[in-house]
Amino acid sequence: KAGVTQTPRYLIKTRGQQVTLSCSPISGHRSVSWYQQTPGQGLQFLFEYFSETQRNKGNFPGRFSGRQFSNSRSEMNVSTLELGDSALYLCASSPLAGGAPYEQYFGPGTRLTVT
Amino acid sequence: KNEVEQSPQNLTAQEGEFITINCSYSVGISALHWLQQHPGGGIVSLFMLSSGKKKHGRLIATINIQEKHSSLHITASHPRDSAVYICAVRSNYGGSQGNLIFGKGTKLSVKP
Repeated sequence: KAGVTQTPRYLIKTRGQQVTLSCSPISGHRSVSWYQQTPGQGLQFLFEYFSETQRNKGNFPGRFSGRQFSNSRSEMNVSTLELGDSALYLCASSPLAGGAPYEQYFGPGTRLTVT
Repeated sequence: KNEVEQSPQNLTAQEGEFITINCSYSVGISALHWLQQHPGGGIVSLFMLSSGKKKHGRLIATINIQEKHSSLHITASHPRDSAVYICAVRSNYGGSQGNLIFGKGTKLSVKP
């Protein structure tokens, strides 16, 4: 099976702009989670989608949003970009979601630079 | 105080040495994950544990639920093991239920 893919891999944006990142999960996986990784804060959970519904959300401002489509592909959007949004954005997919333990498979990430 | 603490932050070892990375957590969990991240960013899941011990090749992971502690051991370390190792717990309480909470990572460098 093909792994999790993320597009684009690299992105440079200007402060105040908005950006959309895309994630295609492993075929058959219905859960997609998004994470932000910065040198200062490390990895932090953004949100999780399962069957087109947001199941969980991390502690991020409303500028960060996401959605999932019927084919399980997911997008995340960041509006009004700030310099502090520069980070590696990772998505991970799983066949399951919720509180029960399950393996996640990570994509290669999108490195966003805000200037 | 972080909910997931890892030690050490940085670790340099000689090839062949036995390595231990520790993870302590303060929240209720349904599972604990050990992840490996190589330069460039890609993350690979090494183990998912909810009790006991798991072994995969030269890697061993243990968890003590009562003490809220897990260890990752690497036997006969090799330069290709050089990476950042991240402990993450899946919370099973309150509003964070189901979310992954990450440690800051341990940067391992194995010298030939």
